[in-house]
Amino acid sequence: ETGVTQTPRHLVMGMTNKKSLKCEQHLGHNAMYWYKQSAKKPLELMFVYNFKEQTENNSVPSRFSPECPNSSHLFLHLHTLQPEDSALYLCASSHLGVGGGPGTDFGPGTRLLVL
Amino acid sequence: GENVEQHPSTLSVQEGDSAVIKCTYSDSASNYFPWYKQELGKGPQLIIDIRSNVGEKKDQRIAVTLNKTAKHFSLHITETQPEDSAVYFCAARGNNAGNMLTFGGGTRLMVKP
Repeated sequence: ETGVTQTPRHLVMGMTNKKSLKCEQHLGHNAMYWYKQSAKKPLELMFVYNFKEQTENNSVPSRFSPECPNSSHLFLHLHTLQPEDSALYLCASSHLGVGGGPGTDFGPGTRLLVL
Repeated sequence: GENVEQHPSTLSVQEGDSAVIKCTYSDSASNYFPWYKQELGKGPQLIIDIRSNVGEKKDQRIAVTLNKTAKHFSLHITETQPEDSAVYFCAARGNNAGNMLTFGGGTRLMVKP
């Protein structure tokens, strides 16, 4: 298992539901990320947090709302999603900074299905 | 910003043969190039990486080569085994604070027994 954990691993929700994805990293990293991975598409970076401050928001719809209470925890709050939001949502962490660490570590992902 | 292209998108080889996946990048300032393997139902896992001050790195059956002049790097897997079947992603990252990984589109490798 990696040093990045995600819960839940699978989630089915209706378009009117509100749910949250949780991510925790045990690696002492200072940056955390949310990626979306859809079938036959490259990894799409959604949000970046550096020392708890959001530094990137790649034109993600407001129905996705991230929260980073500390450098070890990251949440993605979901509300009124669309079927096309069904995908694998990956959390990742790394060191950011000049000469930053060996790489980005990924969690196992949450497989989301929106009905 | 950085742009990473990866080819081929799918690759099928016979067990025991070699597999090569190639990536090109656009930002000459990029100096760190990891490769990730993603098995079904799992997140991507780092398998090997290379920094721009080296031209080649090897770890058992896996090797990565880097050509900074041409801005391309490749993953080589020798003596492939069925358990090598997965999706492989290349990525590139610069050396400035705040720079993040830019990923290629992925290659689905299938090793036939």
